[in-house]
Amino acid sequence: EAGVVQSPRYKIIEKKQPVAFWCNPISGHNTLYWYLQNLGQGPELLIRYENEEAVDDSQLPKDRFSAERLKGVDSTLKIQPAELGDSAVYLCASSLGGRYWGYNEQFFGPGTRLTVL
Amino acid sequence: TQLLEQSPQFLSIQEGENLTVYCNSSSVFSSLQWYRQEPGEGPVLLVTVVTGGEVKKLKRLTFQFGDARKDSSLHITAAQPGDTGLYLCAGQGAGTALIFGKGTTLSVSS
Repeated sequence: EAGVVQSPRYKIIEKKQPVAFWCNPISGHNTLYWYLQNLGQGPELLIRYENEEAVDDSQLPKDRFSAERLKGVDSTLKIQPAELGDSAVYLCASSLGGRYWGYNEQFFGPGTRLTVL
Repeated sequence: TQLLEQSPQFLSIQEGENLTVYCNSSSVFSSLQWYRQEPGEGPVLLVTVVTGGEVKKLKRLTFQFGDARKDSSLHITAAQPGDTGLYLCAGQGAGTALIFGKGTTLSVSS
């Protein structure tokens, strides 16, 4: 069974440019997460989806970050415009949804390493 | 705000040595998870502990959840170079998303 797929794996852009990351979760997983991970730090949640609904986006900087999960499967995270401080690894994870979503194992993708110059 | 403090932040040891990583919080968690992350990869779940005082073993790794469910420890016996990686603890509150600690970077040299 395929794991969580993310692309691209690496992205280098200049500041003020837009950038988008794509995630394909494990088949059947209703819950999808986007995390930001700085070097040597733990992941920090940006947004959580239950199917196509964003149920927790309190940590998403909405002035420049946006996300969508239109059909409740794949998801895209966008930054526009990117700033130097956005350089980090962006991780996508998925898990079974439902009433006990918080207790289900999260499976992480390999992440997209973003460098903003 | 719930915070998880991990210590030590870095650990460099020789093959065969034992080590313990700590994860502490002032908050109570309904469960606590330990992950290992290798460079260029996402975190991979090692174990979930749910009950206060619970001890789980995974080969040479022993995980313990504190009686008050505020802290946890990971003990590795006879570390091997393959144990090298970033170890993350993550706490789950009631109805909340996982909160990750900053991690412990372990390096085991042969």
